[in-house]
Amino acid sequence: AQTVTQSQPEMSVQEAETVTLSCTYDTSESDYYLFWYKQPPSRQMILVIRQEAYKQQNATENRFSVNFQKAAKSFSLKISDSQLGDAAMYFCAYRSAGMKGHGSKLTFGTGTRLQVTL
Amino acid sequence: EPEVTQTPSHQVTQMGQEVILRCVPISNHLYFYWYRQILGQKVEFLVSFYNNEISEKSEIFDDQFSVERPDGSNFTLKIRSTKLEDSAMYFCASSETGKNIQYFGAGTRLSVL
Repeated sequence: AQTVTQSQPEMSVQEAETVTLSCTYDTSESDYYLFWYKQPPSRQMILVIRQEAYKQQNATENRFSVNFQKAAKSFSLKISDSQLGDAAMYFCAYRSAGMKGHGSKLTFGTGTRLQVTL
Repeated sequence: EPEVTQTPSHQVTQMGQEVILRCVPISNHLYFYWYRQILGQKVEFLVSFYNNEISEKSEIFDDQFSVERPDGSNFTLKIRSTKLEDSAMYFCASSETGKNIQYFGAGTRLSVL
């Protein structure tokens, strides 16, 4: 079974600064997808960024980028130019690609609470 | 932008009662999921559903739980006899054929008293 580990329960960053959230995972599969979801106080789960394991290039979405190290099974999220609206719980998630488009579940980490200070 | 809609946003029930949580997935999506999040804990998979049948379920999804797609738009999660430990946020998600992204609803907070 796959596991996802987020070792930082809480992180803090000053507005406009950069912060990196860590995520490691364990799997025996070679093809899979990785995601970062954001959960603000409203508790809705919002997709931030995704990475396909077969792609070597790190995914980027505006101020959000990932550092995907497949051999190390590491998938960190970098938030640049942090904004107050970035304050939320961030969850790393894994999805097997073994059932392409056929409803594979997401396996989540325990989350990192990000505080953004002025 | 299309979104997954969940109702109600908050459900309060007495222990032993049946509850039905409702979800309207994104219209062209064919894969549906339920997850739950006990307060302060991580999000856990319950069940996935495709072509009117369960694709996969977790050990949490025991005989007290059932899912149904009663019509062309709704996807429901029923808990037959609620327990205190069923208190959690329940999220519905849906995904499109061939796509790897699951889109989540805003969740239903279930409080079992």
